[in-house]
Amino acid sequence: ETGVTQSPTHLIKTRGQQVTLRCSSQSGHNTVSWYQQALGQGPQFIFQYYREEENGRGNFPPRFSGLQFPNYSSELNVNALELDDSALYLCASSLGGVTPDTQYFGPGTRLTVL
Amino acid sequence: DQQVKQNSPSLSVQEGRISILNCDYTNSMFDYFLWYKKYPAEGPTFLISISSIKDKNEDGRFTVFLNKSAKHLSLHIVPSQPGDSAVYFCAASGLSGNTPLVFGKGTRLSVIA
Repeated sequence: ETGVTQSPTHLIKTRGQQVTLRCSSQSGHNTVSWYQQALGQGPQFIFQYYREEENGRGNFPPRFSGLQFPNYSSELNVNALELDDSALYLCASSLGGVTPDTQYFGPGTRLTVL
Repeated sequence: DQQVKQNSPSLSVQEGRISILNCDYTNSMFDYFLWYKKYPAEGPTFLISISSIKDKNEDGRFTVFLNKSAKHLSLHIVPSQPGDSAVYFCAASGLSGNTPLVFGKGTRLSVIA
C-alpha cells in the first residue's frame, strides 16, 4: 500500500508568482485535505476535496485554489504569491464517509517566497 | 481565537519515565480527537485517536485520556524512549465524516537517555 506522496519537496518562488503543488493520496482514499503550517504553528486547514468536489474551505483567500482528479490525486494552486505564503504545505488523505476518519499526511512541500 | 491549545511548548523527560502531553479545547462541537507526531522534514504521523464516547484509548505504549466536561485530553507515553523525541500535535474535529482537523501549536518532547 502506497502512502501519501507530495511533490516537489522544496520550492523557491518570488513575490507575485504562481505555484502548483501536487499530492497523491493513499490507495483507496477518496478525500484529500490541504493544510498550511507556518513556522512554530500547527497545520491550518486550507480546503478539502471529496470525490473531485470542494468539500469545505478554511480562512484562506481565493488565490488559494485546488483540484482533485478522477484518481483522487490533487493539486493546490496559489496565485500572486506573498511573503507570508512561505510555509510547509501538507496534504492529507482519508477514506471519507459519514464517520470521523483518520487523515494520513504526506511529507509536505516547503515553499519559500522571496 | 485558538480552539485547540497545547500550553506547553516543550517537555523534557528521562528515558524510561512517563511523558504526559496535554491539550485543551474550547469548541464543544468537537467529538473526535487525534494525536500526531512530527519529526523534522517529515509530515505528521498519526499516533492514536479517541472519540467522545470513550474516555480512554490505549495502543501499546500510548494512551489517550479524554475529559469531556473539562474539555481536556492528554497523551501518556510509557515508557518514554529516545526515538519518541519529536513535536506532538493534538487535533480535533467534528463527528461527521470529512470534517477538517483543527490543530494545536504542538509540544516538543525531548526524551533524554
